[in-house]
Amino acid sequence: EIVLTQSPGTLSLSPGERATLSCRASQSVGSTYFAWYQQKPGQAPRLLIYAASYRATGIPDRFSGSGSGTDFTLTISRLEPEDFAFYYCQHYGNSPRYTFGQGTKLEIK
Amino acid sequence: EVQLLESGGGLVQPGGSLRLSCAASGFTFTSYVMNWVRQAPGKGLEWVSEISAGGDSTYYADSVKGRFTISRDNSKNTLYVQMSNLRVEDTAVYYCAKGSGWYGTSYWFDPWGQGTLVTVSS
Repeated sequence: EIVLTQSPGTLSLSPGERATLSCRASQSVGSTYFAWYQQKPGQAPRLLIYAASYRATGIPDRFSGSGSGTDFTLTISRLEPEDFAFYYCQHYGNSPRYTFGQGTKLEIK
Repeated sequence: EVQLLESGGGLVQPGGSLRLSCAASGFTFTSYVMNWVRQAPGKGLEWVSEISAGGDSTYYADSVKGRFTISRDNSKNTLYVQMSNLRVEDTAVYYCAKGSGWYGTSYWFDPWGQGTLVTVSS
């Protein structure tokens, strides 16, 4: 079973700063099957990045994804007030079929 | 516009049953894998179940296997999950989510419904 570990648990930054969120897999995984989501309080998650590095429809280009193997990164180049939220990584595999990381809370400093 | 609208949540006693529905619109429902994902209060996301586009293949998380049954009615563009023998730890917001990937596969979820809350408590 693949376990996804996100770090940090909480990231405190100011608008305009750069955010770097990490997701580490317990074993090497295919980047094709890797995604990132944003979730704001009281809302459903929203797909940000799929296949590790492709932005979903309507996602601003300040969001970017990278990585391969066991280490994946979500970068927000210049934080906007609306970017402060929870972020989850996710992988598609065999058992379980889908796995999520435990989440990173991005909060305003 | 793709829309997913869940319904059927509520308060149920431990050991009870509940059926959730998800009405889909804005896309060709019959062509897509569909999923249920849940989120316990204050916790992260947990995948629950998946059903193939035609409904002939189903998959479950170990935590719900044998208790939950996913199904779909492609004539009504509706996804279901029948939940039985519910436990306190099943308390969560349940989201339906359209499976997305390349060539009809499901590798990630896009979009998600707004969710429906299931509370299991005596």
